[in-house]
Amino acid sequence: QSVLTQPPSVSGAPGQRVTISCTGSSSNIGAGHDVHWYQQLPGTAPKLLIYGNSNRPSGVPDRFSGSKSGTSASLAITGLQAEDEADYYCQSYDSSLSVVIFGGGTKLTVL
Amino acid sequence: EVQLVESGGGLVQPGRSLRLSCAASGFTFDDYAMHWVRQAPGKGLEWVSGISWSGGNIGYADSVKGRFTISRDNAKNSLYLQMNSLRVEDTAFYYCAKDRGGTSWYYFDYWGQGTLVTVSS
Repeated sequence: QSVLTQPPSVSGAPGQRVTISCTGSSSNIGAGHDVHWYQQLPGTAPKLLIYGNSNRPSGVPDRFSGSKSGTSASLAITGLQAEDEADYYCQSYDSSLSVVIFGGGTKLTVL
Repeated sequence: EVQLVESGGGLVQPGRSLRLSCAASGFTFDDYAMHWVRQAPGKGLEWVSGISWSGGNIGYADSVKGRFTISRDNAKNSLYLQMNSLRVEDTAFYYCAKDRGGTSWYYFDYWGQGTLVTVSS
C-alpha cells in the first residue's frame, strides 16, 4: 500500500487528453513537499518528467504538465501519442516517516 | 553526459549478502545526494536508501533498515549498497539515482539502467 495513491490505469485515444491523479496527506503533499513525476517506458529505467510540481526538464514536450493543490497533484498529458504508453509515478517526501515516497504507479494505455 | 552504471547484482540465497556498486560520471559527484530505488518485477518503485553529498545524512526505508547500508566514495565517484540478511522479498531491480539536491532528499534527475538482484534458494 503506497503512501501516495494513483489510479492503477488510465487510457485514451490518440490526440486526447488524460490526467493522472496522485493523492497524499498532510504529512507529505499537504505539508508543502513538492511532487515530481517519472515516466517509465517498458523495459527501461524511470525518467524524470515533471519536477517541483509543474516544471519540465529540457527535452520533455509541453504536452506534459503538472499541478498541485492541497494534498493532491495531477499529471496531464494532451495530444496523446502512441509513444506515451508507459507507467507513470508520482514522488514526494513524507515528513512524518522521513522517507522518499512514491505512488503505486499508473499504466497509461493509448487506445 | 551524466552516466550511472550499476553492478553487483545476481542470484543469492536467502540470508546471504550482496554488495551493489554504482559508478557515476559526467557530473561533480560530491555535490549531490545519491539514492538506491528498487522495483520488484512487475511492481512499482520503492525508495530504498539515500545519502547526502558528504555522507552526513543517511536514510533508509523501514523494509531494509538494519540490514542494508548505503555508502559512497567521493574520490572514486562511486555509490554502494551493502545488503545483508537478504530475503526473498528483496528480489528486484535496483536503480542508482542522482538527487537534484546535495543534503536532503528532493527528486531524481538521472537514473542508472538498474541491476537485478534475485534472492532464492
